[in-house]
Amino acid sequence: EDKVVQSPLSLVVHEGDTVTLNCSYEVTNFRSLLWYKQEKKAPTFLFMLTSSGIEKKSGRLSSILDKKELFSILNITATQTGDSAIYLCAVELVGTPLVFGKGTRLSVIA
Amino acid sequence: DTEVTQTPKHLVMGMTNKKSLKCEQHMGHRAMYWYKQKAKKPPELMFVYSYEKLSINESVPSRFSPECPNSSLLNLHLHALQPEDSALYLCASSQVAGGPSYEQYFGPGTRLTVT
Repeated sequence: EDKVVQSPLSLVVHEGDTVTLNCSYEVTNFRSLLWYKQEKKAPTFLFMLTSSGIEKKSGRLSSILDKKELFSILNITATQTGDSAIYLCAVELVGTPLVFGKGTRLSVIA
Repeated sequence: DTEVTQTPKHLVMGMTNKKSLKCEQHMGHRAMYWYKQKAKKPPELMFVYSYEKLSINESVPSRFSPECPNSSLLNLHLHALQPEDSALYLCASSQVAGGPSYEQYFGPGTRLTVT
């Protein structure tokens, strides 16, 4: 059975801290891994990763994929209260839509 | 324009009612999706339409009936729902389904309450 596991499930940090969110997967026919941020409503797309070792960056967020060890990390530097959200990792398989992890709930306190 | 729109934003319906959720995108995407999301859980896939044809039905009860009238529109018809069907219903779209990797864009969702 295809599986996507995120850790930690929840995290509380102070503004300015750097956080690392983890996503590991055991799937057949991997195609890509995606990160989403979900606040009160729909998930917002952050990154799509298809190749190992190539970091994707957007402002204070960055992500990298390791296809050999089957995991990805999402880093957020200099966290702000607006970063508080659930961060979802999803894996796209060949011929199958996304398989989601359970998410990491990040709370950034002032 | 990377927007997926959904209407209504909120819906309260009784168990005997018939209602429809609507989703629209104008990005030229040929794959559209319905997800159901319960509180504190990740989205669960319900249906996938690829080139206006239903390609995946994740064993969804027949009280949920999807429809794709054209490449920009996706509907979800609801009839005789149960209180446990109350959830956030998310629509998403991507360039294609099952082809090269393309990210899915989500709409804002319809929060459904069944009384």
